[in-house]
Amino acid sequence: DAMVIQNPRYQVTQFGKPVTLSCSQTLNHNVMYWYQQKSSQAPKLLFHYYDKDFNNEADTPDNFQSRRPNTSFCFLDIRSPGLGDAAMYLCATSRESGPGLGMSSYNEQFFGPGTRLTVL
Amino acid sequence: QKEVEQNSGPLSVPEGAIASLNCTYSDRGSQSFFWYRQYSGKSPELIMSIYSNGDKEDGRFTAQLNKASQYVSLLIRDSQPSDSATYLCAVNIYSNYQLIWGAGTKLIIKP
Repeated sequence: DAMVIQNPRYQVTQFGKPVTLSCSQTLNHNVMYWYQQKSSQAPKLLFHYYDKDFNNEADTPDNFQSRRPNTSFCFLDIRSPGLGDAAMYLCATSRESGPGLGMSSYNEQFFGPGTRLTVL
Repeated sequence: QKEVEQNSGPLSVPEGAIASLNCTYSDRGSQSFFWYRQYSGKSPELIMSIYSNGDKEDGRFTAQLNKASQYVSLLIRDSQPSDSATYLCAVNIYSNYQLIWGAGTKLIIKP
């Protein structure tokens, strides 16, 4: 089955110790997103890739970086995790036709299972 | 500021009854509307998408969209305990790949 996979499912790190979360997809979607979700809150978009084009949200801290080496994979790097970065990190994908092509962006996003990050 | 508003709940509904979840949005340019179900500790799961005014039915779920009044709702018929979850409303604005999310409504189905 086509799907979005995230590894690891649970990550424990120490304050300030870099961590990398990974996401892969077999849906062949051209857009990939990283969200942060804290308890009882809506998902918060950190950044997204439209193909290879990186789009950073204005309020995403510099501590968060991302890489997309190919269509299928995307990584979230947290350079120096703080206690406030403990959260669920969600990867999502969508298939977009893009602006200027005369088609609406439906933006159905499909999520991976998430990575629960604990910072000690 | 583009906003999506939902009642946080919890909304308690007896098993077998109809659960009605509501969502309002602020931007009249909104084009696509989604309902996601999220179980505790899990990731959001897309359950309904709606793009035009009216009703869209899928099994026990019906999404209703009223663009003039800027609201979208989700009805769950014959509610089951397994429907107990948080339901997130999300809205997309044309040519913007972002979804604007509501904070979710917690639904509890009582056996």
